[in-house]
Amino acid sequence: EAQVTQNPRYLITVTGKKLTVTCSQNMNHEYMSWYRQDPGLGLRQIYYSMNVEVTDKGDVPEGYKVSRKEKRNFPLILESPSPNQTSLYFCASSSQQGRNEQFFGPGTRLTVL
Amino acid sequence: KNEVEQSPQNLTAQEGEFITINCSYSVGISALHWLQQHPGGGIVSLFMLSSGKKKHGRLIATINIQEKHSSLHITASHPRDSAVYICAVIGDYGGSQGNLIFGKGTKLSVKP
Repeated sequence: EAQVTQNPRYLITVTGKKLTVTCSQNMNHEYMSWYRQDPGLGLRQIYYSMNVEVTDKGDVPEGYKVSRKEKRNFPLILESPSPNQTSLYFCASSSQQGRNEQFFGPGTRLTVL
Repeated sequence: KNEVEQSPQNLTAQEGEFITINCSYSVGISALHWLQQHPGGGIVSLFMLSSGKKKHGRLIATINIQEKHSSLHITASHPRDSAVYICAVIGDYGGSQGNLIFGKGTKLSVKP
């Protein structure tokens, strides 16, 4: 089954404790992206990757890092989380940047205390 | 001003009603997506279109590139259609070329 998986699905952590949210897709897609969704603000892009070893900032990259060492994986790293990073996070992939069907992961609900 | 505006923000309908959700955008685009977000949070892609009209079951999406406007129609609405519907455009300009720009969503509730 074609899918995008994210782990963990729910996470409560404390300020400053480094965490990684994993994202993996099994469709051999070149393009992957991370979004955060906040009430009243909608979905906003954090980082995206056009292919292996090619990453770039989206609209709200501050406080986040990503890496793309393998085509299937695109982890999101919060090196020192802060409460303003409490949000619902989605990973997505597609075969071509924006121009084909987007496949979304199930979401990760992060709370930073 | 947001680059992608949706209306209405909230919509309540009775089962069986015909529903229209609108999306207007202010930037040049190469394509537009309609997404559905279920109450549990998952997001699925409904349509991607760059011109004309697409239909899938009871859902119809149209786009008018000249007027920078798209509509999503649901015929014979059902309570299972209750969800947030999100419009997203693919900008064809500047540094964000190819990335999705999202509207804030329309929350639809269909009552039995």
